Amino acid sequence: EIVLTQSPATLSLSPGERATLSCGASQSVINSYLAWYQQKPGLAPRLLIYDASSRATGIPDRFSGSGSGTDFTLTISRLEPEDFAVYYCQQYGSSPWTFGQGTKVEIK
Amino acid sequence: QLVLQESGPGLVYPSETLSLTCSVSGVPVTAFSHYWGWIRQTPGKELEWIGSMIYSGTTYYNPSFRSRVTMSVDTSNNQFSLMLRSMTAADTGLYYCVKGVGAFDPWGQGTLVTVSS
Repeated sequence: EIVLTQSPATLSLSPGERATLSCGASQSVINSYLAWYQQKPGLAPRLLIYDASSRATGIPDRFSGSGSGTDFTLTISRLEPEDFAVYYCQQYGSSPWTFGQGTKVEIK
Repeated sequence: QLVLQESGPGLVYPSETLSLTCSVSGVPVTAFSHYWGWIRQTPGKELEWIGSMIYSGTTYYNPSFRSRVTMSVDTSNNQFSLMLRSMTAADTGLYYCVKGVGAFDPWGQGTLVTVSS
């Protein structure tokens, strides 16, 4: 199965700053079938990005995804207070679908 | 608006079978090309895809669970279900029902399952 490794584990930033989160895959992700989710404490994950770069319905345009093959990136252009959360990547190009271990974006 | 809601026992004894139900509102479970699935989150926050299925009966199971998992659809109640046999302490976690077979959206709020005697 494909192992996804997210870095860094924790990102300490201030509101208004740019956040760059990485997701590396142990094998190439077919068709760039990679998603990003946001999870806040006590809530279920929420889909942000699918197919590596397509924003899900209702997701603000400050969230963007990029990448292909084995290297993917989630960028939050300017952090809003509600963006401090844990972010997971997930691949669905090769079964079983797998998730990364998460990156926590915390307030500096 | 599509809303998913899990229900089931909070406590399961070791070796027993977990049965969870996901109630779907806002769209029929028989809707064309709509896949329904289950994901669990371990106490360490790791996310694991268990499986996905469509009304027609096609299922996709994670090989890690395939030998002891069954998923089904209940059209009369607009629900879908998960059965996970031979539960152990390692199966303790938060179980989410989801829509989708690749990117998952939306998610239910989750139901906590503890395996303990």
